Amino acid sequence: DGGITQSPKYLFRKEGQNVTLSCEQNLNHDAMYWYRQDPGQGLRLIYYSQIVNDFQKGDIAEGYSVSREKKESFPLTVTSAQKNPTAFYLCASSIRQGTDGYTFGSGTRLTVV
Amino acid sequence: QKEVEQNSGPLSVPEGAIASLNCTYSDRVSQSFFWYRQYSGKSPELIMSIYSNGDKEDGRFTAQLNKASQYVSLLIRDSQPSDSATYLCAVNIRTDYKLSFGAGTTVTVRA
Repeated sequence: DGGITQSPKYLFRKEGQNVTLSCEQNLNHDAMYWYRQDPGQGLRLIYYSQIVNDFQKGDIAEGYSVSREKKESFPLTVTSAQKNPTAFYLCASSIRQGTDGYTFGSGTRLTVV
Repeated sequence: QKEVEQNSGPLSVPEGAIASLNCTYSDRVSQSFFWYRQYSGKSPELIMSIYSNGDKEDGRFTAQLNKASQYVSLLIRDSQPSDSATYLCAVNIRTDYKLSFGAGTTVTVRA
């Protein structure tokens, strides 16, 4: 079955450490997205990519980085520059125009320890 | 003005009643509209999509779209405790093809 796989499900980061969240899809979607969700809040867009080897900053890109070397993969790195990284991170994918909606992964819950 | 706005919650309805969720959007040329359901601690799940003016029914869910009024709604008939969740409205913003999400409305169905 096609879908999006995010790993790990839970991640703990020490102060000053970079961590990478994985997102893989086998839906043959061109576009992929990373969102952050804080408790009781809506979705905030971090980065998105509509084609391989190209990506754009979303509304809250500071302290994050991404790469899109393969169509199937869109990893997100939370760098030490992100001062408040504790949140629920969601990866999504869609056809390029987004007209069929997004399919979301199951999410990664990141906690700073 | 936010691109997508939803009626503020939380919304509490008795079991068996109709839950009515509303959403307005700012981009007059938006063409695709979606409702997602998100259970606590889980990821959003697409439950309805609508593209044309009028009503679209799927089981106990009905989506209503009025492009002239820039308004989309979701009705949940015969509400069940399993419908207790946050519902997100999403609109396809034509200029860059991304979806713009509302902040969500939390629904609680009380037995």
